[in-house]
Amino acid sequence: SAVISQKPSRDICQRGTSLTIQCQVDSQVTMMFWYRQQPGQSLTLIATANQGSEATYESGFVIDKFPISRPNLTFSTLTVSNMSPEDSSIYLCSVDSANTEAFFGQGTRLTVV
Amino acid sequence: QKEVEQNSGPLSVPEGAIASLNCTYSDRGSQSFFWYRQYSGKSPELIMSIYSNGDKEDGRFTAQLNKASQYVSLLIRDSQPSDSATYLCAVKNGDYKLSFGAGTTVTVRA
Repeated sequence: SAVISQKPSRDICQRGTSLTIQCQVDSQVTMMFWYRQQPGQSLTLIATANQGSEATYESGFVIDKFPISRPNLTFSTLTVSNMSPEDSSIYLCSVDSANTEAFFGQGTRLTVV
Repeated sequence: QKEVEQNSGPLSVPEGAIASLNCTYSDRGSQSFFWYRQYSGKSPELIMSIYSNGDKEDGRFTAQLNKASQYVSLLIRDSQPSDSATYLCAVKNGDYKLSFGAGTTVTVRA
């Protein structure tokens, strides 16, 4: 399985600011995804990070709030913009290289105060 | 209707017993099924994948899939305290995306 490095692992941010989360994979992967896990909840897909084109967002998530970049097949970023306390969650990067099994990064625990 | 539903927890079992986790899904076209284990404060870890009807065994874990009933389960034999975690059922459709159940929290009592 691919080795996925996600950073930062945690952060405490002021409301109204933005945080960019990075996801680096040690090999080229076809698909990269960003998930959110709110406290006590399961995982919800935010978007599919498409290499060289705009991300594909799920219902309820928009590009202005969660801009995503994927400049190549090993790297992606997710920005949480204009943060509010409701954005306090764990954000997870996931990769899937052959439409078989998906693996997750370590996650970023975000607290907005 | 939720896409993936898991039996409600928490589930408490004594050490050495079998823990049984259940999951149903709504999309009959789903092809790939996974069980992830998530320890508190950690990211999900893949423990089992299953793609065809029947049983798949890996150590103390057995996954069972019945596509006609749209049902997938996970059995943990000889449960250990280290198995205490939340178990997430995930289903993948043709577009690579995973849909997760709400999770079942398992506590193994020593």
